[in-house]
Amino acid sequence: EVQLVQSGAEVKKPGATVKISCKVSGYTFTDYYMHWVQQAPGKGLEWMGLVDPEDGETIYAEKFQGRVTITADTSTDTAYMELSSLRSEDTAVYYCATTAYGSGSPTDAFDIWGQGTMVTVSS
Amino acid sequence: QSALTQPASVSGSPGQSITISCTGTSSDVGGYNYVSWYQQHPGKAPKLMIYEVSNRPSGVSNRFSGSKSGNTASLTISGLQAEDEADYYCSSYTSSSTSLFGTGTKVTVL
Repeated sequence: EVQLVQSGAEVKKPGATVKISCKVSGYTFTDYYMHWVQQAPGKGLEWMGLVDPEDGETIYAEKFQGRVTITADTSTDTAYMELSSLRSEDTAVYYCATTAYGSGSPTDAFDIWGQGTMVTVSS
Repeated sequence: QSALTQPASVSGSPGQSITISCTGTSSDVGGYNYVSWYQQHPGKAPKLMIYEVSNRPSGVSNRFSGSKSGNTASLTISGLQAEDEADYYCSSYTSSSTSLFGTGTKVTVL
């Protein structure tokens, strides 16, 4: 069974950095891009960026450029999303998402999602 | 880059058909056949309903269909059922090699 299992909820102070993990199983990690999506409470989905696990190439949304770092560890089949200089507006659920049935292109839709990780930023 | 534009809410009675629009630009929706649609129930992760404008993943009801004309994509739900009540988001690949979600539409079954 294809699965993405994310790390647990985090509480951080403003200005801190959070790093969330996304462990994959059931498919070859390096075959498909891994994306990260933010959803603030009561708000919509916002695409943050992607990583190609095969070579570590990343593309980030302009909104998060400079504050987000997405990486992939092929030794553990785990993707990571690190967000720095946290502010209250970063309080949100963060999802990793990918496909296990696509073409291996960044245009693939997201048919596999992690369970989400809640990050709360509060002083 | 601004989110794709969707109506905030759409409603219909059981059995009826509804259509949700998703308007972008020639740099995203209009420029590529990589539009997808996601259903999200409260407290749950999104679920892929349509990919590449009009394709349904295995297991998704054929009551869901997608189309595109110019810079606007559409999701139609026919034979509306109570379980279809959820939030729906479109997404498109863009000319910047990024993905862009829509503003989201709350579907209410009356």
